[in-house]
Amino acid sequence: DAKTTQPPSMDCAEGRAANLPCNHSTISGNEYVYWYRQIHSQGPQYIIHGLKNNETNEMASLIITEDRKSSTLILPHATLRDTAVYYCIVRVAGGNTGKLIFGQGTTLQVKP
Amino acid sequence: GAGVSQSPSNKVTEKGKDVELRCDPISGHTALYWYRQSLGQGLEFLIYFQGNSAPDKSGLPSDRFSAERTGGSVSTLTIQRTQQEDSAVYLCASSLARGSNQPQHFGDGTRLSIL
Repeated sequence: DAKTTQPPSMDCAEGRAANLPCNHSTISGNEYVYWYRQIHSQGPQYIIHGLKNNETNEMASLIITEDRKSSTLILPHATLRDTAVYYCIVRVAGGNTGKLIFGQGTTLQVKP
Repeated sequence: GAGVSQSPSNKVTEKGKDVELRCDPISGHTALYWYRQSLGQGLEFLIYFQGNSAPDKSGLPSDRFSAERTGGSVSTLTIQRTQQEDSAVYLCASSLARGSNQPQHFGDGTRLSIL
């Protein structure tokens, strides 16, 4: 399974863009990059995923480098409610499971 | 629309008792997953169901743990003779299909406390 590396914590000012990096240098060509977040006492919330191209939805943007060895999740205008643990996950390809393997994630603290 | 629903939200029981946890996936989702999250830890995969295929039980920590999914919808996770180390949040997720391009959507979990 491709492993991911994320900084353990980050701060961001409210209203500013939060840029969360993730390294996945051993990713395979058919593996997707997924981002989830977990707010205290809730289940993980799906944010976005991508394969090669940059992706954008109502929550965030995902920028994947051309060599696919790293990616950045961008929250364009962070709010206090975006304070959470953010997980970058490379989805296990093939096989019969497709289980998600969660690391320790990045704790994002949005400050007023 | 309705998300993944889990019940109970909290369960406190004595060591040695059996417990059943329930998961109602999103309607139409054929893939269903159970994970658990111990205090301060990441999520640990337990078991996976996909349609009528045999489940992937590779993550179950012991034979005290079992799960079933009846009618391809609701799933129950059963823990027999509970131990204190079973205390954790048990999370259920479902996805539209098995493929790696299908995001899993999680419920808010059942917080299990073994006294």
